This record gives sequence, C-alpha cells and structure tokens, in this order.
Amino acid sequence: KNQVEQSPQSLIILEGKNCTLQCNYTVSPFSNLRWYKQDTGRGPVSLTIMTFSENTKSNGRYTATLDADTKQSSLHITASQLSDSASYICVVIKLTGGGNKLTFGTGTQLKVEL
Amino acid sequence: DGGITQSPKYLFRKEGQNVTLSCEQNLNHDAMYWYRQDPGQGLRLIYYSQIVNDFQKGDIAEGYSVSREKKESFPLTVTSAQKNPTAFYLCASFNREGNQPQHFGDGTRLSIL
Repeated sequence: KNQVEQSPQSLIILEGKNCTLQCNYTVSPFSNLRWYKQDTGRGPVSLTIMTFSENTKSNGRYTATLDADTKQSSLHITASQLSDSASYICVVIKLTGGGNKLTFGTGTQLKVEL
Repeated sequence: DGGITQSPKYLFRKEGQNVTLSCEQNLNHDAMYWYRQDPGQGLRLIYYSQIVNDFQKGDIAEGYSVSREKKESFPLTVTSAQKNPTAFYLCASFNREGNQPQHFGDGTRLSIL
C-alpha cells in the first residue's frame, strides 16, 4: 500500500467550476507536504508547500489545506480554466537520518472541458 | 533564466545498448536527483547526489549509473542490465537551505527499439 494515496484517480469538470483533490498519507515523521502540477510531457511544478503547523496555503486559484492529525490534505481549485488540465501530485516529505525523503502520490488526472 | 535542462526529449535504446540522459542546472543547487515515472505509479527515486563527487542509490538503482563531476551536471546512464527501461525520466535539483521545493526538468522519454 502506497504511503501517499490520492483521490480521485481522475476527474472531469466544466470550465469555471470548482473542484477538490484529496491526499491521505501515512508517512511519519512528517516534515512537510507539497502539491505539484504536472502538464503532459513536462516536469512537475510546485504549487504549495505546507509544514505541519500550517492549516492552509493559497497560490492564486489553488488553495491547499492540511490536517496533520488525520494525515489528510486537499487541493481546492477555484473557477477552473482549461489550462488547469494536468496531473496533480501530492508529495510528503519525511525526516530521516540521511536527510529528507520524498514520497510521491500517483496523482489525480484533471481534465477541464468547455 | 535559471532552470534545469534535460536532453534529449526523446531517446530510443536498442537491445544491449547503454544510453546516457543529460541533466544540467544553473540554479546553483547542491542536491540533484533522478526519478523514474511510470503510468499509474508515483515518481520513484533512482539516484541522488547531495554534493559534487558523491551520490547515493535510491529505491530503484539497479541497472542505472550516475556521475557528479560538476555541480551543474548529473548525467544518468541506463545500462543494458535495466531490462525494463521504457519510462519517463525526470531530473530535479534542490536547495537545502530553507523549505524550498524541488525544481524539475521537463523529462526524457526513453523507449525500446
């Protein structure tokens, strides 16, 4: 079982609508959690970084929330645009003796349609 | 404009052939990483390097080799020992100071001929 589970696996929404993507993790000890956006055939681009003490962080139309007690995070996209069509990846960073270890979720594939 | 450059964008490998993927960064980052991305799976770490002339195996290092002779460069060689090399390969770099994200290149897609 993956230590970072994302849902849904894929999602189709109409342009202008809002959506929420989920990330549940079991990684411990927890350092921080990141959301990345990956366009097809491109590398991931960072959207937000949250430490355990942060509950919410926004980046334009993207808002991430974190509940470190329940080990859940969400990414809310407001007023979706066609350019939001991409894979959204949740990454949880674990503290280890050898430095930070990143565990990647499998991503949520979002498609925004007219 | 600072960033990470991966080349080539597409690469084809013949049976028994070693191929090398290039990764160059001008972000002055100490740490560099190679990941493999397969459909339906999260990124998996192949090798990483925290400093010049030093590198460590990741979770799936078998069949791969790397070098780190310069801070800016971290090439990955996919050897003939890697029996399932078809994948999307991503290089990343990281500034360990502060809580910074990894910066990724735009990947190399490797296929078998």
